[in-house]
Amino acid sequence: LAKTTQPISMDSYEGQEVNITCSHNNIATNDYITWYQQFPSQGPRFIIQGYKTKVTNEVASLFIPADRKSSTLSLPRVSLSDTAVYYCLVTTGAYSGGGADGLTFGKGTHLIIQP
Amino acid sequence: DSGVTQTPKHLITATGQRVTLRCSPRSGDLSVYWYQQSLDQGLQFLIQYYNGEERAKGNILERFSAQQFPDLHSELNLSSLELGDSALYFCASSVSGTRLSTDTQYFGPGTRLTVL
Repeated sequence: LAKTTQPISMDSYEGQEVNITCSHNNIATNDYITWYQQFPSQGPRFIIQGYKTKVTNEVASLFIPADRKSSTLSLPRVSLSDTAVYYCLVTTGAYSGGGADGLTFGKGTHLIIQP
Repeated sequence: DSGVTQTPKHLITATGQRVTLRCSPRSGDLSVYWYQQSLDQGLQFLIQYYNGEERAKGNILERFSAQQFPDLHSELNLSSLELGDSALYFCASSVSGTRLSTDTQYFGPGTRLTVL
């Protein structure tokens, strides 16, 4: 299953737009891209999911180019409360039996927002 | 509040002991997942159950075991505990778990295990 690579950490300032890019060169046809957010000592929380092009919800946007080898999570006008770890996952389109690669969160990107 | 509950919230025990962590999924969710998060480590997937049956296995040690009961709650049993087992243990649930691609996981608040 496709392995993901994302920056270990990023920082930005309140009011800025933040883009976190994730590489997944070996993504398969049936795979989706899912992003989760985790605050310290809390469980991760689903942010957004997409297959191709652009997906937007009330929290974020997800941009996926045509080759789907990468994706970018975009957080508009961040605030201090957006300081968290962001995980990019590639999840398989069909359960293959015994496989758990699609459930690998890795270490994520530590996003720090400063005043 | 995700709707997933985990007990206990904190657990302190000694090396060599055995503990049981409990998870109740969201109402209607059939799948339960267990994860371990150690200091400076990412979230490590341990095991998934779907409607009472083991569905996927990750980096779960032989000293660890889990099960999902008919009422869909799940328990994670950790035995012969070592110092390195100290971590946050998260449970998550999802509606089906049969289509991983679009199956959103809802995480509980976690159980913090400290092994002394």
